[in-house]
Amino acid sequence: KAGVTQTPRYLIKTRGQQVTLSCSPISGHRSVSWYQQTPGQGLQFLFEYFSETQRNKGNFPGRFSGRQFSNSRSEMNVSTLELGDSALYLCASSLRAGAGTEAFFGQGTRLTVV
Amino acid sequence: AQTVTQSQPEMSVQEAETVTLSCTYDTSESDYYLFWYKQPPSRQMILVIRQEAYKQQNATENRFSVNFQKAAKSFSLKISDSQLGDAAMYFCAYSSPGNTPLVFGKGTRLSVIA
Repeated sequence: KAGVTQTPRYLIKTRGQQVTLSCSPISGHRSVSWYQQTPGQGLQFLFEYFSETQRNKGNFPGRFSGRQFSNSRSEMNVSTLELGDSALYLCASSLRAGAGTEAFFGQGTRLTVV
Repeated sequence: AQTVTQSQPEMSVQEAETVTLSCTYDTSESDYYLFWYKQPPSRQMILVIRQEAYKQQNATENRFSVNFQKAAKSFSLKISDSQLGDAAMYFCAYSSPGNTPLVFGKGTRLSVIA
């Protein structure tokens, strides 16, 4: 069974540009969450989606947005990129939403903003 | 807000020896879950072990076990018979029905010395 797939693996963007990251969950998983990982702040929660609905949102500015499609694939978008957006963006999928459900992570997308 | 604290930024252990990684958390909830995740250089987060707060028995997965002290809000991970493949970042995480996204600690980098 294929794991969580995140594309692209690496991305370099210029300040002010926008970027879209993609996450394909494990087949049958309906919950997708996104996390930002930086050396300074560690792992911080961005969004959680279940059945195309956003269930939770972290404390990030409106430049960060996301969505989930009917096939459970998810995208996150960051507009007007800032240098501080450089990070590893991790996607996790779960069979269902809710605490305690095991989250399976992808290998992440390394975003560098120059 | 729930917080997770890992007080040891780095640890090292000799191959075949035992090491304990510390984690404390702060919550006012009685029903919650605690996790240890491993992140090797490949960046993919892997679930090591999970503990449900209402279970008094400490979780065990092969060479990995936890010492869960609910009153002290402590959740340490013990790795027995350490192997070179155990070298990674280890993250302690918390989740609850009232706050389903994972809340992570800053991580402990474990080195295994041959």
